[in-house]
Amino acid sequence: EVQLVESGGGLVQPGGSLRLSCAASGFTFSGYWMYWVRQAPGKGLVWVSRIKSDGSSTGYADSVKGRFTISRDNAKNTLYLQMNSLRAEDTAVYYCVRETKYCMDVWGKGTTVTVSS
Amino acid sequence: DIHMTQSPSSLSASVGDRVTITCRASQSISSYLNWYQQKSGKAPKLLIYAASSLQSGVPSRFSGSGSGTDFTLTISSLQPEDFATFYCQQSYSSPYTFGQGTKLEIK
Repeated sequence: EVQLVESGGGLVQPGGSLRLSCAASGFTFSGYWMYWVRQAPGKGLVWVSRIKSDGSSTGYADSVKGRFTISRDNAKNTLYLQMNSLRAEDTAVYYCVRETKYCMDVWGKGTTVTVSS
Repeated sequence: DIHMTQSPSSLSASVGDRVTITCRASQSISSYLNWYQQKSGKAPKLLIYAASSLQSGVPSRFSGSGSGTDFTLTISSLQPEDFATFYCQQSYSSPYTFGQGTKLEIK
């Protein structure tokens, strides 16, 4: 079964850091571009970041550029999102997503990040 | 950035109705348009990719059309399990922006 399982969310103070992980299984992880997409409470979906299958290219939304870093370990079938200098507006459910044919075809269940003092 | 606008933002319909949701891009995106369904408290699910291709396992009552800047998602006969929020998303250029969502509710 193709599966993505996120972890690492939690409550953090403004200015703090968190590292999200996404464990992939059931497919050849190293063959796919991967994304992080987030959804603030009661709001819509927002693309956060992407990484090429071999990790050689990355991209970020302007709202997180310079603060978040996406990475992957293809030997461990794991995607990461290092989040620094967190703000209240970063509060959201963060989804790990697989890309196929320019669409997001597999989604994890999400992990919740709450930034609050 | 490419801005995606969906209409309507919300919609009430009955089981058996035919429903159409529209998505407009702020510039041409060819056919790089995807549709997702999200039920309350769940992750989004891919319905349609490349504007009109039905994702495997998705019922044939869902269909998509359009190219350039104007796109539609049609549900031919609403079923009880279809009530959810629907999002369009462009994959033409980064950042891969989503529409604001269309909430489909039971009348």
